[in-house]
Amino acid sequence: KNQVEQSPQSLIILEGKNCTLQCNYTVSPFSNLRWYKQDTGRGPVSLTIMTFSENTKSNGRYTATLDADTKQSSLHITASQLSDSASYICVVSSTNAGKSTFGDGTTLTVKP
Amino acid sequence: DTGVSQDPRHKITKRGQNVTFRCDPISEHNRLYWYRQTLGQGPEFLTYFQNEAQLEKSRLLSDRFSAERPKGSFSTLEIQRTEQGDSAMYLCASSQQDRGSYNSPLHFGNGTRLTVT
Repeated sequence: KNQVEQSPQSLIILEGKNCTLQCNYTVSPFSNLRWYKQDTGRGPVSLTIMTFSENTKSNGRYTATLDADTKQSSLHITASQLSDSASYICVVSSTNAGKSTFGDGTTLTVKP
Repeated sequence: DTGVSQDPRHKITKRGQNVTFRCDPISEHNRLYWYRQTLGQGPEFLTYFQNEAQLEKSRLLSDRFSAERPKGSFSTLEIQRTEQGDSAMYLCASSQQDRGSYNSPLHFGNGTRLTVT
C-alpha cells in the first residue's frame, strides 16, 4: 500500500532559526515528490518538486532533498520568518496511479 | 483571478440535509480532483475527473456522495443526508496532465468548510 509518513507532527521554532522536516514514503513506482505549504484556512500551494534524478532543489529559503534509494525526503527552511507558520505536506506521485499520496503534514509554528 | 475557485467558502447544515459544493478549475486544466481534509490530517482523496469522465472514486466515499463534471468544466460535489462525520474541509484541485507526464502540480482552491450540526 502506498504510504507517506511525515515527521515531526508539529514543530515550534523561534524566528530566524532553521528547521528540517522529514518525509518517508513507500509509493511505487515513484514518479515525483512535491512539498506543499498550506496556510490556515487556505488550500495547499506547491513549493518544490523532486523527480527521481534530483537530489537537491532550492526555492528561496526552502531546500528540498530526495534520497530515492532510502525513499526519504527532507525540507529545510533557512532563517525562518513568521509567515512560514503553516502546515507542510509531502505528496508523492506514482507513474501508475491517477492520484497522489498525501502525508498528514508537519505543522510549523514560528514564534517571534 | 485565474486560480481554482470554490463556492461556498463555508456551509453550515443540519444533519440529514443535502448540500452541494461547486468548483471552478483553471480553465485549461483537464484534471479535476476532490479531497476531504480534517484538522491535523492531510487531504484525503475522494474522486477525480479527466475532462468529463470520472476515472476513480475512493472506496471511502459512500453512496451519499456524488460528483459530476458536465462538459469537462466546473464540477459539483453533492452530499446527501449529511452526517456529523461529514464535517470537514472539502478541497478541489485541478491540473493539466498530458499523456506520459506526471509532474504537473495540483492547483488547489481554498476549500469549502462544511459543518454539520
